[in-house]
Amino acid sequence: GENVEQHPSTLSVQEGDSAVIKCTYSDSASNYFPWYKQELGKGPQLIIDIRSNVGEKKDQRIAVTLNKTAKHFSLHITETQPEDSAVYFCAASEDDKIIFGKGTRLHILP
Amino acid sequence: GAGVSQTPSNKVTEKGKYVELRCDPISGHTALYWYRQSLGQGPEFLIYFQGTGAADDSGLPNDRFFAVRPEGSVSTLKIQRTERGDSAVYLCASSISGGGETQYFGPGTRLLVL
Repeated sequence: GENVEQHPSTLSVQEGDSAVIKCTYSDSASNYFPWYKQELGKGPQLIIDIRSNVGEKKDQRIAVTLNKTAKHFSLHITETQPEDSAVYFCAASEDDKIIFGKGTRLHILP
Repeated sequence: GAGVSQTPSNKVTEKGKYVELRCDPISGHTALYWYRQSLGQGPEFLIYFQGTGAADDSGLPNDRFFAVRPEGSVSTLKIQRTERGDSAVYLCASSISGGGETQYFGPGTRLLVL
């Protein structure tokens, strides 16, 4: 079955700097890659997703890239703000079963 | 509009007891999912409903876990003979039609088995 690895587990960046989270997946059949943000005591919230027919997608300060050959995908957050502090999960899916990484705790330092 | 709602938000029970967790999906969403999230981990898939039927229950850990969705809307996750290892956050999600469409998550039910 699918396995998703996510790095780093914890990331601290200065406010205004960029943050990058990287993931790898194992199943070449996976074709959908969502990213979720989870704040303390809340459910995961979708922030951006990408499908396997594109290599990059951008939404304001957030961008995702996908390298199908290497089975890598990454989340880039630019101009980080205090409200970006949360746990971020990458995930991969071929069908309706989403397989999540273990998460990255992002701290935005003042 | 209203998002996915889950009740109760917190549940404390004793080992060996039976619990029911409820999920109300977004109105009109035909697909419903249950995940379990242990502390410090990502959500793990349990079961997926398309309408009233369980399309994929491969994530249910054992036969103590069962879920229903009798009218194709509200779903109930049932856990029999609870064990301390069942303590986790149980998340419900829904999507408009399944088939890889975006899944929207509820706030979860935090289950603690003493």
